[in-house]
Amino acid sequence: SQQGEEDPQALSIQEGENATMNCSYKTSINNLQWYRQNSGRGLVHLILIRSNEREKHSGRLRVTLDTSKKSSSLLITASRAADTASYFCATGLGNQFYFGTGTSLTVIP
Amino acid sequence: EAGVAQSPRYKIIEKRQSVAFWCNPISGHATLYWYQQILGQGPKLLIQFQNNGVVDDSQLPKDRFSAERLKGVDSTLKIQPAKLEDSAVYLCASSLDGGVGLNEQFFGPGTRLTVL
Repeated sequence: SQQGEEDPQALSIQEGENATMNCSYKTSINNLQWYRQNSGRGLVHLILIRSNEREKHSGRLRVTLDTSKKSSSLLITASRAADTASYFCATGLGNQFYFGTGTSLTVIP
Repeated sequence: EAGVAQSPRYKIIEKRQSVAFWCNPISGHATLYWYQQILGQGPKLLIQFQNNGVVDDSQLPKDRFSAERLKGVDSTLKIQPAKLEDSAVYLCASSLDGGVGLNEQFFGPGTRLTVL
């Protein structure tokens, strides 16, 4: 299976701290995407990083990709209570697209 | 811009009954996806359409699941007959053009199915 696996499964931090979650996958990919899911807004795309990119930023988000290690990390800086959600990585290759198992992030006010 | 619309939002049925879900993608989006998300897991792609043609349905249990996208716009996903293990949230997503995983996907709110 090409399904990514996020680590940790659950993470709890204080507001203002940084949160880092990791994704590992098994086969080569075209790109890797991160999504957030919470009860209020459903599943929302955060950022896409292509296989030839190593790092990408979007606001308080920083994503890295290491294709040699088949891994990616998502860093959320200066976390807010509203960042509480599940975060999924999703890997794409050709017509195949797989979501990982997710990291549940809780940001305590 | 209106988002992806899905209905119904919730459905409770008995096993062996049939159920259908409807999805209206964002206007102009050529690609439409159906996902199944079981509680505690990530979404699993069931089928991908580009316009009204099927691009990939390798993970669709074709003995009981079917989907169509007539006229390349709205889509319906049907389960007949339903099993207990079909209890999940069914998500519809769309993207501007083809190539699963190549573009940002916009998700609808999902239909939560409970099979008793």
